[in-house]
Amino acid sequence: EVQLLESGGGLVQPGGSLRLSCAASGFTFKTYAMSWVRQAPGKGPEWVSVISGSGRNIFYADSVKGRFTISRDNVKNTVYLEIKRLRAEDTAMYYCAKGPWDIAVVPLGNWFDPWGQGTLVTVSS
Amino acid sequence: EIVMTQSPATLSVSPGERATLSCRASQSVSTNLAWYQQKPGQTPRLLIYGASSRATDIPARFSGSGSGTEFTLTISSLQSEDFAVYYCQQYNGWPPWTFGQGTKVEIK
Repeated sequence: EVQLLESGGGLVQPGGSLRLSCAASGFTFKTYAMSWVRQAPGKGPEWVSVISGSGRNIFYADSVKGRFTISRDNVKNTVYLEIKRLRAEDTAMYYCAKGPWDIAVVPLGNWFDPWGQGTLVTVSS
Repeated sequence: EIVMTQSPATLSVSPGERATLSCRASQSVSTNLAWYQQKPGQTPRLLIYGASSRATDIPARFSGSGSGTEFTLTISSLQSEDFAVYYCQQYNGWPPWTFGQGTKVEIK
């Protein structure tokens, strides 16, 4: 069974930083793209970033480009999201999600299945 | 960026009735369209990908159709566990991949 477990969220002041982690199990981690998707309270999901199986191909949403950094460790089967210069509008549940393939091998878009349980990031003074 | 627009925002349906949800893309996404279900306090769950392919363990009462810019999710006979918010997502080509704002299916 595929399992994704996020951690690292919390209450942060504006301008602060956090590092989110997502530990994966139940599949051959290095052969799949992984994404981060966030959902602000009462809103629809927003795709944030994707990383290919090797880590060489990375994309970001414009809203986070320059502030967020995605990475992965294929030995620890973990994907990370480092977020800096946090703003109030970054307040959201952050989910990691598995793609259907490695975008470096199959250059097509990704749906997300499954999603982790999420980790809540709250930006407030 | 491709904008996804869902309608209606809220759909009131009686148990056992059919529900039809719509999703429109601002430009063609071919059949690169997924649907998700989200219940309160829960994680989104994939229902449909490729516009019409059901994900693993999704009941046959859920069906998807459409291509290009117009898509539909149909729930043929609503069960109590189907009352939730439904989101569409396009994944055409390279990112950004975008979601609609959701349709809430509530009990009439």
